[in-house]
Amino acid sequence: QKEVEQNSGPLSVPEGAIASLNCTYSDRVSQSFFWYRQYSGKSPELIMSIYSNGDKEDGRFTAQLNKASQYVSLLIRDSQPSDSATYLCAAPTDFNKFYFGSGTKLNVKP
Amino acid sequence: DTAVSQTPKYLVTQMGNDKSIKCEQNLGHDTMYWYKQDSKKFLKIMFSYNNKELIINETVPNRFSPKSPDKAHLNLHINSLELGDSAVYFCASSQDQGLASEQFFGPGTRLTVL
Repeated sequence: QKEVEQNSGPLSVPEGAIASLNCTYSDRVSQSFFWYRQYSGKSPELIMSIYSNGDKEDGRFTAQLNKASQYVSLLIRDSQPSDSATYLCAAPTDFNKFYFGSGTKLNVKP
Repeated sequence: DTAVSQTPKYLVTQMGNDKSIKCEQNLGHDTMYWYKQDSKKFLKIMFSYNNKELIINETVPNRFSPKSPDKAHLNLHINSLELGDSAVYFCASSQDQGLASEQFFGPGTRLTVL
């Protein structure tokens, strides 16, 4: 199993819907998780980090961490066409060495 | 003000050439990184430096040599470029090398080897 795995998508949702992006991880990574958004041709932009079991909300974004299932997700409420991008999940091992998932491409249809 | 900057933004060169990419951060961070993103968009770490000391050195051909003259700068020199080196190279920085330390990325350098 890779350190961090994501479904590559694409995930298509209508405007205004909730987009749910998922990521699983192995025992080799630490219990800190980061979600990045990457628009085509641009650099990854940090959206949220989560370190504790449960939910963490920031505006329209909610990160969820389930350590028992080794599962972390990102929910985007009221999805907008401007949310269309690739979302990358990342987790570190020693010395803050980040392992990234392959990314999930999200399309929000007007 | 740009937090993490890289130059050049685009680099087109012939096989066999030697080239360098420069990175600077003005965030006051101690740790800097180089990542490679291939054509399938997979982002993989190459190197990290903490306060000018090499910390992470992944399985990367020794044609790639990072250098950190001070903790705000991290350069990447590539010798004898090959077709497979074509990719986008991102520089990133974090406050330190702690496991909860968020990493912030530069705009990337798109390298094309012909």
